[in-house]
Amino acid sequence: GAVVSQHPSWVICKSGTSVKIECRSLDFQATTMFWYRQFPKQSLMLMATSNEGSKATYEQGVEKDKFLINHASLTLSTLTVTSAHPEDSSFYICSAENTGELFFGEGSRLTVL
Amino acid sequence: AQSVSQHNHHVILSEAASLELGCNYSYGGTVNLFWYVQYPGQHLQLLLKYFSGDPLVKGIKGFEAEFIKSKFSFNLRKPSVQWSDTAEYFCAVISGNTGKLIFGQGTTLQVKP
Repeated sequence: GAVVSQHPSWVICKSGTSVKIECRSLDFQATTMFWYRQFPKQSLMLMATSNEGSKATYEQGVEKDKFLINHASLTLSTLTVTSAHPEDSSFYICSAENTGELFFGEGSRLTVL
Repeated sequence: AQSVSQHNHHVILSEAASLELGCNYSYGGTVNLFWYVQYPGQHLQLLLKYFSGDPLVKGIKGFEAEFIKSKFSFNLRKPSVQWSDTAEYFCAVISGNTGKLIFGQGTTLQVKP
């Protein structure tokens, strides 16, 4: 099947700094990618839809100025958590659609101290 | 609001026991239905999906699910579980209206050897 890769898989940062997470489709092109957030023992919550060459579409309650999404190419979408705070600590997962099926990255665990 | 509900949050079974995990959704109209599995330390993987046709869907590793439109349900079943089935299971739905994949809360399955 298709492969979606995220980097980094885990990151620790200080409060107030920004962190960038990359999501790559390795063997296919993805005009649309999705970013999810997963809290411990909870489900995946859709944060935003990343569209190649245009602005991302954010879900209600997600701050677009805090979670910056850039989909600059057909194989790369980035999520930047700006001015991170401890409450932003979470597991972030991306996915991309290929031939009608969604493939997920390994996830990136962010810990903000 | 549109939602996906998984009734069982934590299930503990002995090996060879039968499994059924409930999933209900609240969308009207056309839906595509999925079950994903997340093994410890691994990323989400697709178990099976339903788009149309036979409402009884066969997936990988002996799993199956039945779509019952009148009950808005898509329950996951396996006749005989194995210790290696220990994982988190997520039901997910894409509604034709939104095109977004929405997840249920997840069910933790623990199989005792």
